[in-house]
Amino acid sequence: NAGVTQTPKFRVLKTGQSMTLLCAQDMNHEYMYWYRQDPGMGLRLIHYSVGEGTTAKGEVPDGYNVSRLKKQNFLLGLESAAPSQTSVYFCASSSSGTGRTEAFFGQGTRLTVV
Amino acid sequence: GEDVEQSLFLSVREGDSSVINCTYTDSSSTYLYWYKQEPGAGLQLLTYIFSNMDMKQDQRLTVLLNKKDKHLSLRIADTQTGDSAIYFCAERKGNSGYALNFGKGTSLLVTP
Repeated sequence: NAGVTQTPKFRVLKTGQSMTLLCAQDMNHEYMYWYRQDPGMGLRLIHYSVGEGTTAKGEVPDGYNVSRLKKQNFLLGLESAAPSQTSVYFCASSSSGTGRTEAFFGQGTRLTVV
Repeated sequence: GEDVEQSLFLSVREGDSSVINCTYTDSSSTYLYWYKQEPGAGLQLLTYIFSNMDMKQDQRLTVLLNKKDKHLSLRIADTQTGDSAIYFCAERKGNSGYALNFGKGTSLLVTP
């Protein structure tokens, strides 16, 4: 049971470099989310998607872009990384928005920008 | 955005009960959740409660909901060292694609 898989698990970037984080889910979920987790800040929503081909901004979208070309994948891009983007990134998915719908989380990507 | 509030740290002795408190923001939230995060891992759903309930019990876990005060608590009976983790309270907001809105997390340390 793969669930939600994030790649890579760790990455070190230099300031100004770009990268893409991949999130893949095998549960046929419609909704997908990207969060970042910083010490003492909890999880903050970066972007989300309510279906294939749709994306929307969350609480802290600046400096990130996303794409949902396939239902099972949700990509998070950093075009020009900054030290402030050093964080642990979590992807999550859920089958629908309403009701007792559990959100399933990936194991996280630890990104360091130097 | 508005904050879900939790105390940041809790330390208990093994065998005691732990109580983690949370204040949420949206009175229209129909489900409220508790997630657990172990070191270096993602978040896992621990339990949840529907907003028309006052209490839910699930083995060692008891969730109490005071909807009037928008207060949620998680009680862990007979706390074990394996319960040491960060516990997040979360509400599901109607906007932002029903994304979960998390508190900052409570770090629970269980000492022998």
